Amino acid sequence: EAGVVQSPRYKIIEKKQPVAFWCNPISGHNTLYWYLQNLGQGPELLIRYENEEAVDDSQLPKDRFSAERLKGVDSTLKIQPAELGDSAVYLCASSLHTGAGELFFGEGSRLTVL
Amino acid sequence: AQSVTQPDIHITVSEGASLELRCNYSYGATPYLFWYVQSPGQGLQLLLKYFSGDTLVQGIKGFEAEFKRSQSSFNLRKPSVHWSDAAEYFCADRGANNLFFGTGTRLTVIP
Repeated sequence: EAGVVQSPRYKIIEKKQPVAFWCNPISGHNTLYWYLQNLGQGPELLIRYENEEAVDDSQLPKDRFSAERLKGVDSTLKIQPAELGDSAVYLCASSLHTGAGELFFGEGSRLTVL
Repeated sequence: AQSVTQPDIHITVSEGASLELRCNYSYGATPYLFWYVQSPGQGLQLLLKYFSGDTLVQGIKGFEAEFKRSQSSFNLRKPSVHWSDAAEYFCADRGANNLFFGTGTRLTVIP
């Protein structure tokens, strides 16, 4: 069974440019999460989806970040415009449903903003 | 507010020595606790989890953890560390809907 797939693995952009990350969760997993991991820190939740609905986006900086999960399967996280402080790893995770127990994580997308 | 504390930022052990990584949680009467491992440039891999029942849980790669409600702790242990165990270890507590992580403990293994 395929795990959570993320792309790109690495992205280098200049500040003020846009960037997008893609995530394909494990088949059948209704809940999808985007986490932000700064260097030397634990992951912090950005947004959680139940199917196609964003049920918790309280930590998403909505002035520059957006996300979507059309059709309730794969998801895209976008930053526009990117700032230097956005350099981090963006992790996607999925679970069968909220409260289902463990989350399965992708390998992450490492963003460097110059 | 829910929080998970990992007091040790960095631990160095010799290969073959025993290991204990500390974790304290602060939320809920019934915590759902996890330990994840992250190798450099990789995502997080689940080592073990505790929901209820036996307070000593076994995980993959020879790891185990013990839930102690009286101490609000869920420490990770391994009797004999291998060089391949060098990585970052994260303790996490599942709140109502989300997973809250500690800041992690970086493990270095010396020959």
